[in-house]
Amino acid sequence: EDQVTQSPEALRLQEGESSSLNCSYTVSGLRGLFWYRQDPGKGPEFLFTLYSAGEEKEKERLKATLTKKESFLHITAPKPEDSATYLCAVGADKLIFGTGTRLQVFP
Amino acid sequence: DSGVTQTPKHLITATGQRVTLRCSPRSGDLSVYWYQQSLDQGLQFLIQYYNGEERAKGNILERFSAQQFPDLHSELNLSSLELGDSALYFCASSPQLARSGNTIYFGEGSWLTVV
Repeated sequence: EDQVTQSPEALRLQEGESSSLNCSYTVSGLRGLFWYRQDPGKGPEFLFTLYSAGEEKEKERLKATLTKKESFLHITAPKPEDSATYLCAVGADKLIFGTGTRLQVFP
Repeated sequence: DSGVTQTPKHLITATGQRVTLRCSPRSGDLSVYWYQQSLDQGLQFLIQYYNGEERAKGNILERFSAQQFPDLHSELNLSSLELGDSALYFCASSPQLARSGNTIYFGEGSWLTVV
């Protein structure tokens, strides 16, 4: 059975303090690893899709990387507006989500 | 704005009642998905439709059903509601079936509160 584990559950950062979020996965065959951002009471907002080990994608202060067992979401010099829950998912049509990392960035 | 539209945004109803949640996918998207998000369960896949046909099923209760209409909008029907059904229900859509580059976009959700 496909599984996704995210860590840490919560992360508090000072503005400008870079860090990484982890997503470990177990799948029978990786068909895609997805990162979403979710604000309270809102729908998940698509960030990245990664398909193969070694792949990297960037968007503003975010960079996602993928290995055969895990993915990292690196946040460089975060700002308060980056505060949200970041969700990782694997699959194709049926996405299996992790429970997310709740990020808070303080000025 | 993802382009996926869900109505209603909020709904309060009593136990035992039945409700219908509606979803309009992004223009041109053939696949529609329904997910449930509760505080203790996280995001859980319920069901997927592709071009009107049921494609995949997750842990969807027998009291729940869905359909996708010829115009590609979808409805999720929840019946004999229980307190535990209170959750955010998300609709998502994608252009086609699973393959490289097939991104799934989520709507803003329908908040269901069962009292």
